[in-house]
Amino acid sequence: AQTVTQSQPEMSVQEAETVTLSCTYDTSENNYYLFWYKQPPSRQMILVIRQEAYKQQNATENRFSVNFQKAAKSFSLKISDSQLGDTAMYFCAFWGQGAQKLVFGQGTRLTINP
Amino acid sequence: NAGVTQTPKFQVLKTGQSMTLQCAQDMNHNSMYWYRQDPGMGLRLIYYSASEGTTDKGEVPNGYNVSRLNKREFSLRLESAAPSQTSVYFCASSEALAASSYNEQFFGPGTRLTVL
Repeated sequence: AQTVTQSQPEMSVQEAETVTLSCTYDTSENNYYLFWYKQPPSRQMILVIRQEAYKQQNATENRFSVNFQKAAKSFSLKISDSQLGDTAMYFCAFWGQGAQKLVFGQGTRLTINP
Repeated sequence: NAGVTQTPKFQVLKTGQSMTLQCAQDMNHNSMYWYRQDPGMGLRLIYYSASEGTTDKGEVPNGYNVSRLNKREFSLRLESAAPSQTSVYFCASSEALAASSYNEQFFGPGTRLTVL
């Protein structure tokens, strides 16, 4: 079974700083996807970024980028020039071709301070 | 285009009461899902429906039943609520469950359920 682990329950940085959230996963599958979701206080689940395992190039979406280390089974999220609106829970998630189910990590609560 | 809608937004039940959480999507998606989110944990899959007329158990199905009423609607029923079912419940939908690639799941706003 796949597992996703986020080892940082909470993080806090100043506005405009760069912050990196960590995620590790365990799987025996070769074809899979990894995601970062943002959950603001409104509870809405918002897809921030996705990475296909077969792609070596790290995904980027504006201020958000990932560091995908396939051999180490590591998938971290970097937020550059952090903004107050980035304050939220962030979940790392895995989808594998075999199980075809989204598996979520425990989440990291990120606070951006003014 | 409302996306995925859920009713109610909040609900308080007493132990042993029953209720049904409603979910509807207007994106013509084939697959629908129910998750629960507990404090300190990510979302966990309760049940899913790969297509109209089919339902399957997820990771934590005990104490729940589901009905795929039609292509648009997927309901979650608690027959006899227990305090352990206090949680936030999310419905999601996607185009289809494909064998070889991932189709993005779109989430509803969630229902906060408290069982006393």
